[in-house]
Amino acid sequence: DIQLTQSPSSVSASVGDRVTITCRASQGISSWLAWYQQKPGKAPKLLIYAASSLQSAVPSRFSGSGSGTDFTLTISSLQPEDFATYYCQQGNSFPYTFGQGTKLQIK
Amino acid sequence: EVQLVESGGGLIQPGGSLRLSCAASGFTVSSNYMTWVRQAPGKGLEWVSGIYSDGRTYYADSVKGRFTISRGDSRNTLYLQLSSLRAEDTAVYYCARGPWMSAFDIWGQGTMVTVSS
Repeated sequence: DIQLTQSPSSVSASVGDRVTITCRASQGISSWLAWYQQKPGKAPKLLIYAASSLQSAVPSRFSGSGSGTDFTLTISSLQPEDFATYYCQQGNSFPYTFGQGTKLQIK
Repeated sequence: EVQLVESGGGLIQPGGSLRLSCAASGFTVSSNYMTWVRQAPGKGLEWVSGIYSDGRTYYADSVKGRFTISRGDSRNTLYLQLSSLRAEDTAVYYCARGPWMSAFDIWGQGTMVTVSS
């Protein structure tokens, strides 16, 4: 199985800050990586697919990059509604796997 | 509107069975790859099972032989039959469309399954 390791596991930041979350795969997955945002009690919401493509209606302050084994999600200027948990997910091979999550908290 | 609505969760004893349903609107289940993902309380996301448009099915090792994914094409509904349930199957179960371009783009609201005596 492909393991995805996110870092950091949690981060505290302020409104307006730039935040970067990384996701490392245990083997190459080309660009078959997605990023999700999840708020408490809610379903995950797709932000980025194919490593760098912005899902429709997602604000442009979210961006993704990377290929192979190393990927990043960047939020350019944090807004109050961005405080949530973020997950990466690989769609390269079965079983599809998720990272352990990164909790983004208000400083 | 494109949406998914799950139902069928509840409290079930270990060893019991349950069928989860996921009703789709705004698109056709049988024309898409569809997936079940679960999330244990306070934990991360775990892919459980998927079904291709051609009917091929895939399962996580943790549920293989106990869970069965299927479709009800006339009802535009996805199902997950859960059998031989264990305490570690306790989770919110989400259905989702995809993957398409690696991702699951539409998610239901989730249905809670609690396995306990």
